Amino acid sequence: SQQGEEDPQALSIQEGENATMNCSYKTSINNLQWYRQNSGRGLVHLILIRSNEREKHSGRLRVTLDTSKKSSSLLITASRAADTASYFCATDANNYGQNFVFGPGTRLSVLP
Amino acid sequence: DAGVTQSPTHLIKTRGQQVTLRCSPISGHKSVSWYQQVLGQGPQFIFQYYEKEERGRGNFPDRFSARQFPNYSSELNVNALLLGDSALYLCASSLGGNRETPQHFGDGTRLSIL
Repeated sequence: SQQGEEDPQALSIQEGENATMNCSYKTSINNLQWYRQNSGRGLVHLILIRSNEREKHSGRLRVTLDTSKKSSSLLITASRAADTASYFCATDANNYGQNFVFGPGTRLSVLP
Repeated sequence: DAGVTQSPTHLIKTRGQQVTLRCSPISGHKSVSWYQQVLGQGPQFIFQYYEKEERGRGNFPDRFSARQFPNYSSELNVNALLLGDSALYLCASSLGGNRETPQHFGDGTRLSIL
């Protein structure tokens, strides 16, 4: 089974609203990353949060991490139509290299 | 600067055939990873190569193999293709090979098996 599981599977909001996506994982991690994927394209790295961090910001993105609950959330504020994409969380499966485990993703649709 | 480039963009093969996918990393990046992404799912790790050595291998059969060349480009080979190998194959490069280095993805090769 996958390490990370995003929820909801799909989310539809109006432009200007905030979007929140959650990620749960099973085993201990060193860091957790969020990526975005536009339809038919590769993934784009958004943000990395280390296991000793609780919150991180990047522009309109806010990521939180709760290691006691093994969960993370991604908040996109003031969403735009261009934010329409799939969002994935990825955890490091071991202490060596880049063997990252991705969840199934949340499909976000931002309606104009 | 050019991003990660993958070729070909699309490929159609039949069961039992063999395929080679190619990846050119961002200039200066020494790590290349390969992922398989089945429609509607997240990417699944296949291999990582760093400085031309295998750094990690995911849970894929021996039909899957890869290598990295002295210029850090990489090839992924899949033998004896099965219908289930139909997927988007993504290549990612990074400057370093550790878990805290962000990966930069190419747009992938869409492989269809008939």
